[in-house]
This record gives sequence, C-alpha cells and structure tokens, in this order.
Amino acid sequence: EPEVTQTPSHQVTQMGQEVILRCVPISNHLYFYWYRQILGQKVEFLVSFYNNEISEKSEIFDDQFSVERPDGSNFTLKIRSTKLEDSAMYFCASSEVMGQGKKNIQYFGAGTRLSVL
Amino acid sequence: AQSVSQHNHHVILSEAASLELGCNYSYGGTVNLFWYVQYPGQHLQLLLKYFSGDPLVKGIKGFEAEFIKSKFSFNLRKPSVQWSDTAEYFCAVRSYNQGGKLIFGQGTELSVKP
Repeated sequence: EPEVTQTPSHQVTQMGQEVILRCVPISNHLYFYWYRQILGQKVEFLVSFYNNEISEKSEIFDDQFSVERPDGSNFTLKIRSTKLEDSAMYFCASSEVMGQGKKNIQYFGAGTRLSVL
Repeated sequence: AQSVSQHNHHVILSEAASLELGCNYSYGGTVNLFWYVQYPGQHLQLLLKYFSGDPLVKGIKGFEAEFIKSKFSFNLRKPSVQWSDTAEYFCAVRSYNQGGKLIFGQGTELSVKP
C-alpha cells in the first residue's frame, strides 16, 4: 500500500524557534492535510490544501502556521515561533479527491512528535 | 459544533475475547464514517469506512462496524481479538457540508493480553 512519509519522526526545539515539518504525500494525490494531537487529546484538523492554496483551516491554524508545497513531492507545515502548547504529534494526510466521493480516503503518515522546550 | 465521542479510553482484553468499541457523533446531516487504527510507531491506517448502503460494513483484519443512524453510532466490533490487535483505534466523521476534514474521537487504546 502506498504510504505518506513524514520527517522527522521526532523534533525537539526551543520555544520561539521556527520548525518545519515535512511530508511526502502519495504521488497521485492532490489534496493534503495536517492534523495534530496534543497528548491525551483528540486528533484535530489544522488545514487542508489543494492546488497551492489553503482550502480550509481551523481556528488553531493562526498566523504562526503556514503550509507550502515547495516542489512536486513535499508538503510542509511551518510554525514560525513555537510555543510550549505547540507540543503535539502532527499528522500529515493526503487524498486523491476531496468532497464526499468514495475516493476521498485520507491516508496518514506516522506523524512527527514535536517537543517544544 | 460537530463532535465525535469514543466511550472507552482504554480497553484490556484477553485473546479470543470479543471486542466492541463505541463511537457516537453529534451531527444530524449526511455523514461519512471511518475507523482508523494506529499500531505502535506506525501510521494511522484505515480499518473500514461507511459512505452509504448496507449499514454493516466489513473492514480489514476481521473488523466490522455497524452504522445506526437513529443512534448516531458507528461501533466497531471483532468477534475474537488477537494480541496483534493491540493498538489505538480512532473513530472519525466527515459531514457533507464541511469540506474534506475529518473530525476524530479521542481514541481508544486496546491492549490484548496473550
């Protein structure tokens, strides 16, 4: 089964530093997503991305966050100035289509654990 | 706001026991429903999904789930668990008028004792 790949698996950073989390979606997928899970809490939607634009974002996804598809394969999440509360597992996902069709299955990566000290 | 509830945070079973994990959602419109599983150190993997049709859906590894619209539920079942089913299980919902995002439950950790 094709996989979504995320790097690094664990990122440790100091508060106030910028971090970039990287994802390689499945090659023929066009829609990309970031979710996060703070320890002990639910997996929460952050943002969806299509055709080099944000399709939808949650309240969590404020000006400190940005996403980019810098080339044909990578999809990145940048946090400009990390806070302690940004510590979480960040999951990338991709899908072939969006909307309600049966091909809209989101495939997830293994996640990047971000620890902000 | 739309929400998903999983009633069990941690379930411990012996091998061969039957499993049922509860999932309820709060949205009244048309929804797509999913169960994902995350084995230790691995990615979230789709177990099964419901879009329409037969409310009893079968997934991988012997799992099944039943959509009961009147109860807003999508419970996951397996007649006989194995040690290898030890993992975290997530229920997720996507509503028709909220784009592509998934709304997740808080997850249920399943520990199966050999």
